[in-house]
Amino acid sequence: LAKTTQPISMDSYEGQEVNITCSHNNIATNDYITWYQQFPSQGPRFIIQGYKTKVTNEVASLFIPADRKSSTLSLPRVSLSDTAVYYCLVGGRTSGTYKYIFGTGTRLKVLA
Amino acid sequence: DVKVTQSSRYLVKRTGEKVFLECVQDMDHENMFWYRQDPGLGLRLIYFSYDVKMKEKGDIPEGYSVSREKKERFSLILESASTNQTSMYLCASSLPDRNTEAFFGQGTRLTVV
Repeated sequence: LAKTTQPISMDSYEGQEVNITCSHNNIATNDYITWYQQFPSQGPRFIIQGYKTKVTNEVASLFIPADRKSSTLSLPRVSLSDTAVYYCLVGGRTSGTYKYIFGTGTRLKVLA
Repeated sequence: DVKVTQSSRYLVKRTGEKVFLECVQDMDHENMFWYRQDPGLGLRLIYFSYDVKMKEKGDIPEGYSVSREKKERFSLILESASTNQTSMYLCASSLPDRNTEAFFGQGTRLTVV
């Protein structure tokens, strides 16, 4: 079962690039890696998903090395509104069973 | 935009009561999920449904059951609420084969006293 580990918290300044790494040593062949953002009193919001190598969309990039045992969410030029909790999710269907393992989240604080 | 609506934002129930948490989605998604979120533990999957009347247990199904009689509605049932079920409950939906790209509701904060 793929357990995920993330740093508990990070601080950054406006305009900087932020990289948050998630470790998932036991990731299964069929598992995808997904990142979510959550603001207080709201449900998580999908940011980006990947299987291997690099994925980029309008808000973030996701880097996944060849062994897939970790992944890094990269947020370019963060602003105060990026202050939130970021969750890594590893999951998929293995042996007919769906398994979705969220990390415990990284609390990102962006400072002015 | 996908909308996932949970019937209550806050709920207070007594120990032993039967509790229903309702969730409705408006995007015709096949998959629906119930998670609970606790400090320090992140989100944990309770149940997952991939079609009407179909369900699969998640990581922590004990003490819970679910019902999916219509595609748009997924209910979480606490047969006999206990204080250790005090938590934030989150419902989500997704397209088939996109289970990890889910849309979440706002959550229901349940307190069992």
